[in-house]
Amino acid sequence: ETGVTQTPRHLVMGMTNKKSLKCEQHLGHNAMYWYKQSAKKPLELMFVYNFKEQTENNSVPSRFSPECPNSSHLFLHLHTLQPEDSALYLCASSQDRGLAGVYEQYFGPGTRLTVT
Amino acid sequence: LAKTTQPISMDSYEGQEVNITCSHNNIATNDYITWYQQFPSQGPRFIIQGYKTKVTNEVASLFIPADRKSSTLSLPRVSLSDTAVYYCLVFSSGSARQLTFGSGTQLTVLP
Repeated sequence: ETGVTQTPRHLVMGMTNKKSLKCEQHLGHNAMYWYKQSAKKPLELMFVYNFKEQTENNSVPSRFSPECPNSSHLFLHLHTLQPEDSALYLCASSQDRGLAGVYEQYFGPGTRLTVT
Repeated sequence: LAKTTQPISMDSYEGQEVNITCSHNNIATNDYITWYQQFPSQGPRFIIQGYKTKVTNEVASLFIPADRKSSTLSLPRVSLSDTAVYYCLVFSSGSARQLTFGSGTQLTVLP
């Protein structure tokens, strides 16, 4: 248990569906992240939120839409996905100290997404 | 961004010490070196972080030479449960907070 929870753990959706992934962190951190991990590939950073503001968007297609209503919750809204979007989606949080120092990330268990 | 290079895989036997080396030739002055462990279908787990020389915690040691162009994660007396992928990351706390995970090293511990 890392203090970062993700729901659902598994999700199967059709290409025309709309669904959302939820992440919640109970660590008091101020930064949250979405990563994608496809089979036999490295983790790909998708989005970074710092103090609820999006600071990084790694050229992610618009069919993925993040939302960060507060520093404890992070959502990833999904619509009109493609089969190649099937992957493990991981959420992480950290305490970003800015220029004062680096930080470690705490990852959730992930959501295994299958797009049919 | 500092790119990292690690061996794709390593095998070891239970009880042995395992050393995994990561090359990061273009590491910047503000960059720190961090190692994560990942089991299948789970998120990565932080192992250790350092800036220079040697860092040790209850799980591992991290050795960083003076030029900081490489680092070595040392796992003492590995067990079967240490079989996982190990990632080396190099990043700074600057404005470009991109955290790039490479392909990692698949460590397989054999009985």
